[in-house]
Amino acid sequence: GDSVTQMEGPVTLSEEAFLTINCTYTATGYPSLFWYVQYPGEGLQLLLKATKADDKGSNKGFEATYRKETTSFHLEKGSVQVSDSAVYFCALSDRGAGGTSYGKLTFGQGTILTVHP
Amino acid sequence: NAGVTQTPKFQVLKTGQSMTLQCAQDMNHEYMSWYRQDPGMGLRLIHYSVGAGITDQGEVPNGYNVSRSTTEDFPLRLLSAAPSQTSVYFCASSYSYKIDQPQHFGDGTRLSIL
Repeated sequence: GDSVTQMEGPVTLSEEAFLTINCTYTATGYPSLFWYVQYPGEGLQLLLKATKADDKGSNKGFEATYRKETTSFHLEKGSVQVSDSAVYFCALSDRGAGGTSYGKLTFGQGTILTVHP
Repeated sequence: NAGVTQTPKFQVLKTGQSMTLQCAQDMNHEYMSWYRQDPGMGLRLIHYSVGAGITDQGEVPNGYNVSRSTTEDFPLRLLSAAPSQTSVYFCASSYSYKIDQPQHFGDGTRLSIL
C-alpha cells in the first residue's frame, strides 16, 4: 500500500536559518503530493502541492520538488521566521489500482518545527 | 465564507456513551471525509463520501458511522465510545475526489473518552 515517511522531529531552528524537512513516499500509482501545515489549535492548511514529476510547488517562501526517481518531496525554506512554527505534514493522493483514489490522503507522521528569535 | 465548520470543539464522554460530531461546509464541495489524528501517526481516514447519499469506509472505520443526506453536511457518529477513540477528529472537503484536488480542513474536535 501507499505510505509516507517524514524525517524525525522535532526540529528547532533560529530565525533566518535554512529549513529542510525530508519526505519520501511509496505509491502503487502516480500520486499527487502535498505539504500541509497545522498551526497550534487549528486545522490543516494546504501549503503547496505538485502533481507530476519535476513539478515544483511553492508558497510563502516554501518550496518542494516532485522527484519521481528518488520518490521524494522535501520541503525547503531559505530563511524561517518565528511565525513558521507549526507542524508540517507531507501527504499523497494516489489513483490506486482501480483508477480512482476517491480523494484519500495518506499522511506522514508530521514534523514539529519550532523557530526561536 | 466559513469553509468547513466542526462542532463541538471539545467533548468529554464516558465509555459506552454515543455522540455525533458535526461537520458542515459551504463551498458546495462534492467530496467530504473524516480523519483522526493521533500522536506520531499523522492523520488516518475514517470514512469518506463522494456525494450526497454515497459513503464508504476508510482505513479505520470500526466504531464509527456516517451518512450524507445533503451536500453540505457529513456527521460522524460514535456508536459506543471507547477509550481508544480518544483523539482529535478532522473533517475535510474538496471540490471533487480527483487526486490533484487539495482538501480543506476544519479546526477539529478534541474528544476524550474516560
